[in-house]
Amino acid sequence: DTAVSQTPKYLVTQMGNDKSIKCEQNLGHDTMYWYKQDSKKFLKIMFSYNNKELIINETVPNRFSPKSPDKAHLNLHINSLELGDSAVYFCASSPTSGGAFSYEQYFGPGTRLTVT
Amino acid sequence: AQSVTQPDIHITVSEGASLELRCNYSYGATPYLFWYVQSPGQGLQLLLKYFSGDTLVQGIKGFEAEFKRSQSSFNLRKPSVHWSDAAEYFCAVQTGANNLFFGTGTRLTVIP
Repeated sequence: DTAVSQTPKYLVTQMGNDKSIKCEQNLGHDTMYWYKQDSKKFLKIMFSYNNKELIINETVPNRFSPKSPDKAHLNLHINSLELGDSAVYFCASSPTSGGAFSYEQYFGPGTRLTVT
Repeated sequence: AQSVTQPDIHITVSEGASLELRCNYSYGATPYLFWYVQSPGQGLQLLLKYFSGDTLVQGIKGFEAEFKRSQSSFNLRKPSVHWSDAAEYFCAVQTGANNLFFGTGTRLTVIP
């Protein structure tokens, strides 16, 4: 009964390759997110999707493209991987987005991406 | 612009001792504040949150935090630390766009 799941847990690949990370949530939430945690443990939001529409797009390279086939899934596709893309990527979800009220986000276990 | 500062990169406490992790935020509107914990190799788990009302909030695992608007702080406390509390702790502020901004984290080591 995992709430937010990600696959794969570990991903090792070479520079220049294209890879995808998948995320699924079974909480019925309508907003999903991708965060990047660098080697110094700093967490920064990359994308947010609400009901299959992009609502936040922080300054990430356009090699990163989120894809949401439905509101329970938010996949992250990365083209032409670079050494600096090595990090842990976290997916999260929350029941709503924006407005005057706010809800906590539930995080997945993370995907450790290593680019060699 | 919003930001979160956790001034302590690493804290070591003895098991059974009290704990306080500091967090200061900068945000122009009413802040929504969170503390998350990340155990080694794991994802983030929500410890507690502050949206409004009582400035002392209780969380899971015996943690509590106090919101002090005058000091722009949201410090996390626990009266007696257990060895299983060793982890990385993140403070975060949430904007109206539901965007979470995290601090740089505080690593807690617990010694017997």
